[in-house]
Amino acid sequence: AQTVTQSQPEMSVQEAETVTLSCTYDTSESDYYLFWYKQPPSRQMILVIRQEAYKQQNATENRFSVNFQKAAKSFSLKISDSQLGDAAMYFCAYERRNDMRFGAGTRLTVKP
Amino acid sequence: EPEVTQTPSHQVTQMGQEVILRCVPISNHLYFYWYRQILGQKVEFLVSFYNNEISEKSEIFDDQFSVERPDGSNFTLKIRSTKLEDSAMYFCASSETLVGQPQHFGDGTRLSIL
Repeated sequence: AQTVTQSQPEMSVQEAETVTLSCTYDTSESDYYLFWYKQPPSRQMILVIRQEAYKQQNATENRFSVNFQKAAKSFSLKISDSQLGDAAMYFCAYERRNDMRFGAGTRLTVKP
Repeated sequence: EPEVTQTPSHQVTQMGQEVILRCVPISNHLYFYWYRQILGQKVEFLVSFYNNEISEKSEIFDDQFSVERPDGSNFTLKIRSTKLEDSAMYFCASSETLVGQPQHFGDGTRLSIL
């Protein structure tokens, strides 16, 4: 079974600074998708960024970017110029054949 | 922007009772999903559904659970004979046809079993 590990239960960043959230996963497959989802206190999970495993280029979405290391099975999320609204739980997710597995989440606090 | 809607937002049920959680996916989406999140734990995949059939299911999704698309808009999760450990947030999600398309999540239903 595929597992997703987020080793940082909590992270803190100063407003306007940069923070990196870690994620590793375990799979024997070569074709899959990786996601970062954000879950603010309002509960709804919102897609932050998506990466296809067959693409070597790291995905970027405005202030959010990933460092995808396929051989190392690592998929970290970098948030640049952190804003107060970035405070949330962040979940890393692995998907193959519509079966999505989530990490335990990292709670990000943004300090003003 | 279209949203996935879930009702109710909070459901309280006696242990042993049956409960039905309802979801209205985004109208042009064809894949539907249920997840649960026990308080303080990770989000867990339960089941995916496509073309009126279960596409994938996890080891959690046993005979106690069933899903149905009773009409053109609703997608339901039924839990029979609920147990205390079924208390959790249940999230519905939907996506377009292609694998790897982002899933759009509803706000969740908090299920409390007494």
